[in-house]
Amino acid sequence: GDSVTQMEGPVTLSEEAFLTINCTYTATGYPSLFWYVQYPGEGLQLLLKATKADDKGSNKGFEATYRKETTSFHLEKGSVQVSDSAVYFCALSYQAGTALIFGKGTTLSVSS
Amino acid sequence: DSGVTQTPKHLITATGQRVTLRCSPRSGDLSVYWYQQSLDQGLQFLIQYYNGEERAKGNILERFSAQQFPDLHSELNLSSLELGDSALYFCASSVGAGGNQPQHFGDGTRLSIL
Repeated sequence: GDSVTQMEGPVTLSEEAFLTINCTYTATGYPSLFWYVQYPGEGLQLLLKATKADDKGSNKGFEATYRKETTSFHLEKGSVQVSDSAVYFCALSYQAGTALIFGKGTTLSVSS
Repeated sequence: DSGVTQTPKHLITATGQRVTLRCSPRSGDLSVYWYQQSLDQGLQFLIQYYNGEERAKGNILERFSAQQFPDLHSELNLSSLELGDSALYFCASSVGAGGNQPQHFGDGTRLSIL
């Protein structure tokens, strides 16, 4: 079945470091891809999305490119801040109306 | 603030009991999704409703049921509770039923079974 695999955390970085969180997927069709972020004690918030191959989603300095050839959607940010500390979830869904399939989440901890 | 309201925020109960979790979607959203987040299983989709009708079913146990009312709020009923049902339950909503539409999540209900 369809699935999403994320790199295991936690990821610990210093402020202003470069961030990459790897995400790969297995899908039978052509899904849309998402990154959600969960801050402590809160629900998930949509960070960015891409709906077709080679699309780049971006928001708040974060970027991810939908790579069909490598079935990947890696999240990157050039310079992280302490306020970026959170759990990041990669997810996929189909236009036909299925719900989100999530990866297990990657915890990011940024120190000053 | 996502606009999705979940109540209660915390629920503590005992094995064998029954609880009801409530979700009010964002204004204008017709779809409601329920997810369970646990340490071992991660985030799992349970069930989706669209404009009052069941739209999709995921890994929802037979002891669990849900419904969406005419005012579009939704309730998730969990019965014969077991220790393993302890988890964070999220509700999300979206405008339509298409899977590529952004889902907006509530802050969750934390259920603890003693």
